[in-house]
Amino acid sequence: ETGVTQTPRHLVMGMTNKKSLKCEQHLGHNAMYWYKQSAKKPLELMFVYSLEERVENNSVPSRFSPECPNSSHLFLHLHTLQPEDSALYLCASSQDAGLAGVKQFFGPGTRLTVL
Amino acid sequence: RKEVEQDPGPFNVPEGATVAFNCTYSNSASQSFFWYRQDCRKEPKLLMSVYSSGNEDGRFTAQLNRASQYISLLIRDSKLSDSATYLCVVTRNNAGNMLTFGGGTRLMVKP
Repeated sequence: ETGVTQTPRHLVMGMTNKKSLKCEQHLGHNAMYWYKQSAKKPLELMFVYSLEERVENNSVPSRFSPECPNSSHLFLHLHTLQPEDSALYLCASSQDAGLAGVKQFFGPGTRLTVL
Repeated sequence: RKEVEQDPGPFNVPEGATVAFNCTYSNSASQSFFWYRQDCRKEPKLLMSVYSSGNEDGRFTAQLNRASQYISLLIRDSKLSDSATYLCVVTRNNAGNMLTFGGGTRLMVKP
């Protein structure tokens, strides 16, 4: 299934590095999301974009910076991360950010390790 | 208290068994309810929505009790391929996009 793709699939970075995660959806959706899934913890919503505008920032530290240049692409820029930021970062999309947003399609995720 | 609570399991059951998972949620304003499935090292996928009247999809039956803020998933005639983590998901409010996930219940179906 290639509805939502994410690159890279795996990323190892040092605390002083700057890197970016990329997500692309091929479903014609208007809403996109970033989630974080840490070991032994539930999925946590980080950001929501609707029609390229950020509609939700779920108290995420500023070392995570999202960017949505168009409705098909979503980036998560990372800088000065901490080891506790190591997790699986999942991108998702939905038809819109309203009631249709309940049906979200997830990408395969980027497994991030911060050393 | 966690917003969405699930027994993490694992539930180890033989093929053909019937197994039930429960989930409780704390926000009484939650509007919509779902079960997602996540295979090991894969992304979550929507399994089914949960309605107050209860709904069935093949071997899967979901129930919602709003008064008790309780959701259940019943799997009949378990298959090996049902082995996965089942995530209980609720919306925080009327905003359909604000999904809150439970920690998941792991199911292992053995031959």
